[in-house]
Amino acid sequence: DADVTQTPRNRITKTGKRIMLECSQTKGHDRMYWYRQDPGLGLRLIYYSFDVKDINKGEISDGYSVSRQAQAKFSLSLESAIPNQTALYFCATEGRGGDTGELFFGEGSRLTVL
Amino acid sequence: AQSVTQPDIHITVSEGASLELRCNYSYGATPYLFWYVQSPGQGLQLLLKYFSGDTLVQGIKGFEAEFKRSQSSFNLRKPSVHWSDAAEYFCAVGVTDDMRFGAGTRLTVKP
Repeated sequence: DADVTQTPRNRITKTGKRIMLECSQTKGHDRMYWYRQDPGLGLRLIYYSFDVKDINKGEISDGYSVSRQAQAKFSLSLESAIPNQTALYFCATEGRGGDTGELFFGEGSRLTVL
Repeated sequence: AQSVTQPDIHITVSEGASLELRCNYSYGATPYLFWYVQSPGQGLQLLLKYFSGDTLVQGIKGFEAEFKRSQSSFNLRKPSVHWSDAAEYFCAVGVTDDMRFGAGTRLTVKP
């Protein structure tokens, strides 16, 4: 089984719908991240969390919210989806204390907003 | 603000040939630099990283990268490419709560 699991892997929805993407990890890491990948733009950071009580905005947080339900779970929500939020979304983790720079990624959640 | 440029969107090489993927960065201090690989349908995996010290860094799968401060570059190399190296490669700079990724270089390997 994957260490970082994202659900759903694929989702098609309509404009205005609320969507939640879920991430769970078995690595025991404190730090969790949500990225968005768009062709030609690479990955951009949406939100990150260093522990359960810590939530921080990333480069492109507008239109998104997150919840850190437990050390192992970090969810990304789109309250009212719009077509330009169509993208591939990645959850990632990193171990504490090191600022190791090594991110462990899930396999991605492809979201299409019609 | 830091940024990363990968000048080549797509590169095709023959199996067994050498490979160099280019990465240029802009960063206000001594950078932390990374190369990640994304195989089709998969998440990203760290190939190698540079924090300090020896400017030639060895990574997994036979890859290496060289940090050149004077050129603001961190190019990825492999002496002999295998068909399984076909993937997208991302250069990144910064620390994990402010990491900037390049747009990626897609590598195709010809038989």
